[in-house]
Amino acid sequence: EIVLTQSPATLSLSPGERATLSCRASQSVSSYLAWYQQKPGQAPRLLIYDASNRATGIPARFSGSGSGTDFTLTISSLEPEDFAVYYCQQRSIWGTFGQGTRLEIK
Amino acid sequence: QVQLQESGPGLVEPSGTLSLTCAVSGVSISSSNWWSWVRQPPGKGLEWIGEIYHTGSTNYNPSLKSRVTMSVDKSKNQLSLKVSSVTAADTAVYYCANSLWFGSRWDGMDVWGQGTTVTVSS
Repeated sequence: EIVLTQSPATLSLSPGERATLSCRASQSVSSYLAWYQQKPGQAPRLLIYDASNRATGIPARFSGSGSGTDFTLTISSLEPEDFAVYYCQQRSIWGTFGQGTRLEIK
Repeated sequence: QVQLQESGPGLVEPSGTLSLTCAVSGVSISSSNWWSWVRQPPGKGLEWIGEIYHTGSTNYNPSLKSRVTMSVDKSKNQLSLKVSSVTAADTAVYYCANSLWFGSRWDGMDVWGQGTTVTVSS
């Protein structure tokens, strides 16, 4: 089983700041990695697929990078609506999710 | 556009079978999509349950494989999920989603249902 470890567990930042979220895989997943945003009471929303491609309608301030075992989601300048929980998911072997990073307002 | 809607009993007794359906609209279930199920226990993270293609081919999470059955009903354009021998640990919000595969390229799960809450309790 491939384990995805996200860090930090919680990230406290202010609007306008840059957010950097990490996802590390226990073995290579190539670029079979996606990022999702989830707000309370809502279903997850696809942000990034194939490690670095923005999904339809996702603002340009969201970007993804990495391949193999180390991946990063960057939000260049935080908007108030960006404060949420973020999950990475690999689909190289089965479909495991990371445990999530909570992005909270400082 | 593609829309997904989960439904099913909100309460299931321990040792029973959880049965959910996901109605698909805006696209034929026989399209090139794979169809996934994901669950989320209260206050916890997401867990991938598995996925099914319209031909009936399935991929299941190994940790749940012995208890999970997925199927498609082309006449109703809907999916179904069954989880047997349930315990309190199966209490969760259950989501269906489409999983975009283009050959060997995976483009994530871009459309999700709103989720349905299932509680396992007597």
